[in-house]
This record gives sequence, C-alpha cells and structure tokens, in this order.
Amino acid sequence: ETGVTQSPTHLIKTRGQQVTLRCSSQSGHNTVSWYQQALGQGPQFIFQYYREEENGRGNFPPRFSGLQFPNYSSELNVNALELDDSALYLCASSNLQGADGYTFGSGTRLTVV
Amino acid sequence: DQQVKQNSPSLSVQEGRISILNCDYTNSMFDYFLWYKKYPAEGPTFLISISSIKDKNEDGRFTVFLNKSAKHLSLHIVPSQPGDSAVYFCAATRGEGTYKYIFGTGTRLKVLA
Repeated sequence: ETGVTQSPTHLIKTRGQQVTLRCSSQSGHNTVSWYQQALGQGPQFIFQYYREEENGRGNFPPRFSGLQFPNYSSELNVNALELDDSALYLCASSNLQGADGYTFGSGTRLTVV
Repeated sequence: DQQVKQNSPSLSVQEGRISILNCDYTNSMFDYFLWYKKYPAEGPTFLISISSIKDKNEDGRFTVFLNKSAKHLSLHIVPSQPGDSAVYFCAATRGEGTYKYIFGTGTRLKVLA
C-alpha cells in the first residue's frame, strides 16, 4: 500500500503571492486533513475534507482554502501569503471512523520571504 | 490557549532505561488521546492511543497511562533504544474517529547508547 505523498517538498514564495500544495492520500483512505506546523510548535489543524466537502475547519483565515478530488487527493491553497505562513504543511489521510489515527505525509516546507 | 501541553521540550535517557514522556490537557471534553513520533524530514507516525474509558494501553515496549482526574497522560518506553530518538507529540480529540486533533508542542527524546 502506498503512503501519503506531498508535493513539492520545499517551496520559497514572496509575501503577497499565492501557493498551492498537493497531497495524494493513502490507498483506502477517504478523508484528508491539513495541518500547519510552525517551528517549535505542534501541528495545528487547518481543515479536513471528506467526500470532497469541507468537514471542519480550525482557526485559520479564509485565505486558506482547499479541495478534495474524487480520487481523494487534495490541494491546499493559500492566498496573499504572509511571513507568518512560513511553516511545515502536513497532509494526513485517514478513514473518518478509523481509530488508528492519521497517516501523515512528510510535509511541504514553505518559506515566505 | 494551549489545550494540550508538553512541558518538557527535551529528554535524554540511557539506552535500556525507561523513558517517560508527559502530557497535560485542559479540555475535559477530550476523550481520545494519541502519541505520534516524528523523525527529521518525515511526517509524524502513529504510535499508540488510549480511550478515556481506559487508564492504560500497552503495545510492546510502549505503554500509555491516562489519569483523567489529573488530566494527564504519559508514554512509557521500556527499554529505550537509540532508534527511539525522535520528537514525540501527544494529541487529543473527541471521539475515536479522525477529526480535529489538538497536538502538544512535542518532546525531543534522545536515547544515549
């Protein structure tokens, strides 16, 4: 079984630009969640997608948006990038009722300059 | 407001000894808790979980203890091995399904050979 893959692995953007991060979920998983991990912090929940619909959102502004596709892959879009958006962005797939937790990808390291 | 706290940013333990990682939470609505391990340049990997109806769960060298009255959980690793050196995150949520996890800030464990 394939794990969760994220692309790109690293990215440098300028303040004010827009970015799209991509995630392929693990085979058999129907739910994708996105987390932001700032330096020295734990991952923070951005939002979750289930059956192509947003299934909950954390405390992030509307310029953070997402999509889930019929094959359960997902995108995270961030508009009007700010310096504080610099972080590791983690995608995690799961089955919604699964008790084994998420399977995380290795993340995309975003640097905003 | 940090609902899940890991007050020890780092811990060093001799190989073969016990490692004890601690986690406190403030929200009494949390009823499911998980530990994740993270190596550099990799995503967090699920380690062990516990439901609030239990006070202990064991899986090989890893045991998680839950003290609901104190809102405290701990992860015991016995015996510790150099390969256990990683950052450990505790996470809390409501319900066993995968939804919004609240992560602590992590504890970096170093097992000395």
